[in-house]
Amino acid sequence: EAQVTQNPRYLITVTGKKLTVTCSQNMNHEYMSWYRQDPGLGLRQIYYSMNVEVTDKGDVPEGYKVSRKEKRNFPLILESPSPNQTSLYFCASSPRTGVGLHEQYFGPGTRLTVT
Amino acid sequence: SQQGEEDPQALSIQEGENATMNCSYKTSINNLQWYRQNSGRGLVHLILIRSNEREKHSGRLRVTLDTSKKSSSLLITASRAADTASYFCATVPNTGGFKTIFGAGTRLFVKA
Repeated sequence: EAQVTQNPRYLITVTGKKLTVTCSQNMNHEYMSWYRQDPGLGLRQIYYSMNVEVTDKGDVPEGYKVSRKEKRNFPLILESPSPNQTSLYFCASSPRTGVGLHEQYFGPGTRLTVT
Repeated sequence: SQQGEEDPQALSIQEGENATMNCSYKTSINNLQWYRQNSGRGLVHLILIRSNEREKHSGRLRVTLDTSKKSSSLLITASRAADTASYFCATVPNTGGFKTIFGAGTRLFVKA
């Protein structure tokens, strides 16, 4: 089944404790992206990747790191989480870039709470 | 900064009625996409309209795009209770990168 998977789905952690949220897609998509969703703010893009070893900042990259060493995986790293990073996080992938971006396929989300 | 802005923020209608949601954006784009989200779950792509298209249909969905006004609308005809969800527009500004900008969304509630 074609899908985007994220792990963990739920995570409660403490301020400053490094964490990684994994994202994997099995559709051989070139484009992958991370978003956070907060009430009333819609989705805001954190980072995106056009292909292996190619990443770029979205609108809210501060406090986050990403890497794209393999085409299928795009982990999101919080080196020192803070309470303002408490949010619902989504990973997404898209089949190709071409002119503009095509439809994105979303993972189920990771609900992160930082205390 | 947010480019896409939807209105209304919330919409409540009866089953069978039509629902119209609007999206405005600020910069030129290659295409505009609409997504649906059921409460707290991942977004699902509904329809993509390219900058050289004015209207597109998919089942009960009709999307229009007016690039001169930098706006789009999503019409859901003959709505059903199962259409209850949040709807978002997404754009990729035509500025050389592939940053994606989502609006804050419209929450649609369809009463049975």
